[in-house]
Amino acid sequence: KAGVTQTPRYLIKTRGQQVTLSCSPISGHRSVSWYQQTPGQGLQFLFEYFSETQRNKGNFPGRFSGRQFSNSRSEMNVSTLELGDSALYLCASSLISTGNYGYTFGSGTRLTVV
Amino acid sequence: GESVGLHLPTLSVQEGDNSIINCAYSNSASDYFIWYKQESGKGPQFIIDIRSNMDKRQGQRVTVLLNKTVKHLSLQIAATQPGDSAVYFCAETGLTGNQFYFGTGTSLTVIP
Repeated sequence: KAGVTQTPRYLIKTRGQQVTLSCSPISGHRSVSWYQQTPGQGLQFLFEYFSETQRNKGNFPGRFSGRQFSNSRSEMNVSTLELGDSALYLCASSLISTGNYGYTFGSGTRLTVV
Repeated sequence: GESVGLHLPTLSVQEGDNSIINCAYSNSASDYFIWYKQESGKGPQFIIDIRSNMDKRQGQRVTVLLNKTVKHLSLQIAATQPGDSAVYFCAETGLTGNQFYFGTGTSLTVIP
């Protein structure tokens, strides 16, 4: 059974640009959550999607957005990149509901903003 | 806001010894807790979970203890092996149960 797949694994972008990250959840999983991981802040929740609807959102500015497609695949977008957006972005999928089951994480996308 | 902390940022143990990693959480209403292991270059990997109606849960070489009175969670690893070297995170669902709040992590180093 394939795990959570995130693409690309690494990205280097320039300040001011925008970026789109992709996540394919485990087959059958309908919930996809995104986290930002930095050395200073640890894992910070961005948002969760379930059946193409954003169900929950963390405390990030509107430059961070996401969506989920009918096949449960999800993308997140960051516009007007800032140096502080450099981080490991992790996608996690869950069968049904975040609060009742643990996640399965992907290996992440390492974003570097220069 | 939610706060999940860890008592020690780093821990070194001899191979074969037992390891104990601790975590404090702030929300007494949290219902579900998970320990994750993250190796270098990988995403966090589920180790073991526990619900608030339990005090202890055992897996293969791992035990999680939950003390709701003092809002404390611990992960015990028996007979620690070099492959256990990683960063360990505790996570709780918090008040709403709609997301997980992660601690900052404890880096475990196993000395051969």
